[in-house]
Amino acid sequence: ETGVTQSPTHLIKTRGQQVTLRCSSQSGHNTVSWYQQALGQGPQFIFQYYREEENGRGNFPPRFSGLQFPNYSSELNVNALELDDSALYLCASSLPSESGNTIYFGEGSWLTVV
Amino acid sequence: AQSVAQPEDQVNVAEGNPLTVKCTYSVSGNPYLFWYVQYPNRGLQFLLKYITGDNLVKGSYGFEAEFNKSQTSFHLKKPSALVSDSALYFCAVRDIGRDDKIIFGKGTRLHILP
Repeated sequence: ETGVTQSPTHLIKTRGQQVTLRCSSQSGHNTVSWYQQALGQGPQFIFQYYREEENGRGNFPPRFSGLQFPNYSSELNVNALELDDSALYLCASSLPSESGNTIYFGEGSWLTVV
Repeated sequence: AQSVAQPEDQVNVAEGNPLTVKCTYSVSGNPYLFWYVQYPNRGLQFLLKYITGDNLVKGSYGFEAEFNKSQTSFHLKKPSALVSDSALYFCAVRDIGRDDKIIFGKGTRLHILP
């Protein structure tokens, strides 16, 4: 158990719809990042939040957006869903500032877009 | 830019034999290297990391990894494989910069044969 919890675990959406995925970070971790793992691929960095501000973003379009709340939990929102958005979405948390800190992942949210 | 490469899509090892999963890296500056494991339909579990110090790093479940600067490698090893070690293994590097994101390799599927 990593202490990182995600919800929902599985969901199915229709192309064009919007989805919100949620994450609670490990206790004491104020840095949260999101990754997309398509089938048969390694995880790809979407973005990272530190103290409620986005402080890094990967190569994902603006329809991928996020929030971090004062309790360090986080949301990933995806608008105008496309079939290629079908993937496992992983939330990760870590302590800030030191690059040697370990990033701990949740179990993920499986999104299927039909 | 930081990157890692996992040259093998799949590795097959007989139970009880030693196993090696290969990883090479390309970084500017000091490397921060990680290994994660993913069991079917699960999130990523942290195994071990190299930040600095001893080149042989010990991790969870009896795994260890050897950091080799001259060969830019960070191979994952275990002296005696178990069937339960069968999973997808990811080598990763921390991209030192504004967001310190994790960059993953494409993964190596490890099959331990009984």
